[in-house]
Amino acid sequence: QLEQSGAEVRKPGESLKISCKVSGFDFITSWIGWVRQTPGKGLEWMGIIYSGDSDTRYSPSFQGQVTISVDKSVTTAYLQWRTLKASDSGMYYCVRQRESSGWYGMDVWGQGTTVTVSS
Amino acid sequence: DIQLTQSPSSLSASVGDRVAVTCRASQNINNYLNWYQQRPGKAPKLLIYTASGLQSGVPSRFTGSGSGTDFTLTISSLQPEDFATYYCQQSFSTPQTFGPGTRVDI
Repeated sequence: QLEQSGAEVRKPGESLKISCKVSGFDFITSWIGWVRQTPGKGLEWMGIIYSGDSDTRYSPSFQGQVTISVDKSVTTAYLQWRTLKASDSGMYYCVRQRESSGWYGMDVWGQGTTVTVSS
Repeated sequence: DIQLTQSPSSLSASVGDRVAVTCRASQNINNYLNWYQQRPGKAPKLLIYTASGLQSGVPSRFTGSGSGTDFTLTISSLQPEDFATYYCQQSFSTPQTFGPGTRVDI
């Protein structure tokens, strides 16, 4: 399963790192991704990381805006912002996605982390 | 980016009805099309992977079909727990993208 960190409230310009703790399946051989959901834009795929070697792919919409990382020692994936904007507000889900000569569906989802950015 | 459109955007149905939701891709995505169900306040749940594969634990009343650019999710006999929003998602190319959703109401 994927257990995400709790809701966050930040001001514009602040930094933030949210987490996704993996248990119950092999972390090292897993691709862990992040999906944002907002009322205005719906579900958006942000990027994905291979836990074994930290190979990371980003959506162009999020490249340079966020950093996806993992810490193998604690089987946890992270999503990080250096400078938050109000438009970063939303629900963030971590997901597991299988890859085998192509990407399959996102079969495990975290419970979501609400991020609110407001002055 | 590959755009996904869904129709209808919402529908009203009754328990026992047969319901179909369609998803159209802006270009050929082979069979890399997945379907999710999202109930209010919950994370999405994978129902169908690669167009027609039934995810483990998902009832057989859910079926997926299609390839190329046109896909369909069918619920053969709607149950009370099926009233939710359904999303399609393409995993053919980066960035992966989702459809806008179809809300199924009573």
